[in-house]
Amino acid sequence: SQKIEQNSEALNIQEGKTATLTCNYTNYSPAYLQWYRQDPGRGPVFLLLIRENEKEKRKERLKVTFDTTLKQSLFHITASQPADSATYLCALLYNQGGKLIFGQGTELSVKP
Amino acid sequence: DADVTQTPRNRITKTGKRIMLECSQTKGHDRMYWYRQDPGLGLRLIYYSFDVKDINKGEISDGYSVSRQAQAKFSLSLESAIPNQTALYFCATSERTSGRSTDTQYFGPGTRLTVL
Repeated sequence: SQKIEQNSEALNIQEGKTATLTCNYTNYSPAYLQWYRQDPGRGPVFLLLIRENEKEKRKERLKVTFDTTLKQSLFHITASQPADSATYLCALLYNQGGKLIFGQGTELSVKP
Repeated sequence: DADVTQTPRNRITKTGKRIMLECSQTKGHDRMYWYRQDPGLGLRLIYYSFDVKDINKGEISDGYSVSRQAQAKFSLSLESAIPNQTALYFCATSERTSGRSTDTQYFGPGTRLTVL
């Protein structure tokens, strides 16, 4: 079965720095890889999607990369702000079944 | 108004009780999902439905059942609740497109269930 691994340890960074979160997966590559943000006590909110044939996708201060050789996606938040503090989940969609598989999430804390 | 709503938001119940969690959506999406979230385990899929007549088991369906009453409504039942079903439960929807679906999901606010 497919496994997704995200850094289980919380990431603490200083305001203004770039936060980089990692999502690794096993076996075959997904058709899509998505990133979600989840605030405490709330449901996840979709942020970005990257396709298997794309290497990089940007949206404002967010950037996602997808390396199918390394079986890894990196999620970057540039010029981070305390409001970016949340848990970030990666999720993979494979062609068969049409179901998303979620990682356990990485908690990000941005200190002023 | 929220596009995906869940009721109740919080529930405390006792072992052996039957519990129903309800989900409604106004997004007009065909696909609906139930997940549970536990600390350190992330989101795990319980059941999903791609349309009203389609119900499928997810990764952890044992002890749960679902009903898709209409396109907009998808209920999750715990027939006889047990303490290890204490968790945060999320309903989600996604849109079926004519092309290759990206399955972007829209989540409800969650139901915090405690089984004593």
